[in-house]
Formats: sequence, C-alpha cells, structure tokens
Amino acid sequence: DAGVTQSPTHLIKTRGQQVTLRCSPKSGHDTVSWYQQALGQGPQFIFQYYEEEERQRGNFPDRFSGHQFPNYSSELNVNALLLGDSALYLCASSLGQGRSPLHFGNGTRLTVT
Amino acid sequence: AQSVTQLGSHVSVSEGALVLLRCNYSSSVPPYLFWYVQYPNQGLQLLLKYTTGATLVKGINGFEAEFKKSETSFHLTKPSAHMSDAAEYFCAVSWGGYQKVTFGTGTKLQVIP
Repeated sequence: DAGVTQSPTHLIKTRGQQVTLRCSPKSGHDTVSWYQQALGQGPQFIFQYYEEEERQRGNFPDRFSGHQFPNYSSELNVNALLLGDSALYLCASSLGQGRSPLHFGNGTRLTVT
Repeated sequence: AQSVTQLGSHVSVSEGALVLLRCNYSSSVPPYLFWYVQYPNQGLQLLLKYTTGATLVKGINGFEAEFKKSETSFHLTKPSAHMSDAAEYFCAVSWGGYQKVTFGTGTKLQVIP
C-alpha cells in the first residue's frame, strides 16, 4: 500500500523563479493538504484541496497556489520565489476533508539562492 | 488565535528513563489533539490522537498522552526511553475535525546511552 509520495526530494531555485512541487496521496485518500516547514519550526498550513477545489487556506500570499487533479494528486506552485521560501514542503493526505488523520510524505526540500 | 505551545525545544533523557514532553493549547474548546514524530529527513508520523472519549490515549512505540481539559494540556510520556526514540516530536491541534492542523514548534528528544 503506497503512502504519500512527493517529488522531487530536493530542489534548488534562484530568487524570482517559479517552482512546482508534486504529491500523490495515500491510496484511498481524496484530500490533500500542503504544509511549509522552515528550519527549526513546526509545519505551517498552506492550503487544502478536496474535490479539485481549494477548501481552506492558511496565512500565505497569493504567490502560493495549487491544483488537484481528478486522480486526487496535487501540485503546489510558488511564484516569484523569495529567500524566505526556503523550507521543507510537506504534503499530507486524508480522507473526506477532515474525516481521518493526516498522513505525511517525506517532503520536498526547496532551497532558494 | 488558536495556538499550541511546546515547552522545551530540546529535552535530554538517559536510556531507560521516563520521557515527558509538554504541550499546552490555547482554547477552552476541546480540540482534536495529536502527537507526531519526525525522524531526520523524513515526514511526520502520527504517534497518537485524542478526539473524544477516554482522556488517556495510547499510541505506537509505547507512547501515551493524557488530555487534561482543566489544564488545556496534552503531555506525551513514555516510561522507558530507547535510543530509537531520538527524534523531533510535534504536538498539534485542530478544531473541526482533522482539517487545518496547527503544529507546535517541536521538541527534539535526545536519548543518552
């Protein structure tokens, strides 16, 4: 039973560029949430997707956007990268928009130079 | 704003000693409560959760936590630490099911041989 998978595992970008991160949820899950974990901090909620729509959003600017596909996989896009966007980006899947606990992937480590 | 506070960013215990990691949350409304563990270069793994019912919750790897409403606390304990318990532990809360989970800043547990 495949868990949550994220790609790529590591990424280096330059300030001002754009980046796309990908996530495949755990088998049977239909809801995907994205979190940003800066070094030495706890994960911060970015947004949640369910039925291909953004359902909830945390305190992140519009530079952060996402998408969910019919197969429940998801993308996180960040435009106009800032140095402060350097972090571990975690994808978590769950069932039914809040009916089950979050299952996390191993994350994508984004470094912005 | 809803928040969760973990007391002590670093905790050291001897192998075989009691592990106690502290967590308090900000609201008088009982939330869902979680403890997650994160090993280096990995995502978060759910240790245990409290939703409703019995206030003493048992999780994986011998950990347990007790929900104390009067103290707004959910401290994590383990009677005897193992070397394999060395990791970072995050307390988390959510209101309204499992959506939009808010994490604490984490406690790094060091186990000394």
